[in-house]
Amino acid sequence: GAVVSQHPSWVICKSGTSVKIECRSLDFQATTMFWYRQFPKQSLMLMATSNEGSKATYEQGVEKDKFLINHASLTLSTLTVTSAHPEDSSFYICSARRQGTRRTEAFFGQGTRLTVV
Amino acid sequence: AQSVTQPDIHITVSEGASLELRCNYSYGATPYLFWYVQSPGQGLQLLLKYFSGDTLVQGIKGFEAEFKRSQSSFNLRKPSVHWSDAAEYFCAVGPGGYQKVTFGTGTKLQVIP
Repeated sequence: GAVVSQHPSWVICKSGTSVKIECRSLDFQATTMFWYRQFPKQSLMLMATSNEGSKATYEQGVEKDKFLINHASLTLSTLTVTSAHPEDSSFYICSARRQGTRRTEAFFGQGTRLTVV
Repeated sequence: AQSVTQPDIHITVSEGASLELRCNYSYGATPYLFWYVQSPGQGLQLLLKYFSGDTLVQGIKGFEAEFKRSQSSFNLRKPSVHWSDAAEYFCAVGPGGYQKVTFGTGTKLQVIP
């Protein structure tokens, strides 16, 4: 399968600061990337879908001004959590898919554990 | 809206024993169904998927799953579990293939010697 890498794997930040998480497709061009959030003992929840060169599409209930998503190149998407608060502490995971049909597999990164103190 | 239920939060099996992880979905049309595995500190790895055709799907690592429309189920099975199978398993449904995928809450598998 294709390789998707997230950086950092874990991060601790102070309340009120912003933190950026990177999602890179290492061996393919990802025209679409998905960002998920996973709270402890809960499932992954889709936050937003981003297509290269376009604005991200956010799921209902996700604050677009708080979770800034940029997909400026075919191998990199970033999620910036702005003015982070303890309730934003979570596991964030991305997946990336090359151009294709709905049946084109999306590959997951290893995730980023964010802790806001 | 689609939804997925994994009724078992935690399952413990002995190494070499058979395994079945349950998954029930809710979706109005024929769904796209997935099983993923997540090891600690790792991303999700696709075990298998059902899009159409044969309702018994073979996946990697010796796993298989059966789509039963009448029961709205997509249970994951393995005839003989290995210690390395200990992980968390997620069932998922997507109306548009890999887009808009909804995940279940996961089942944590513990394998004992």
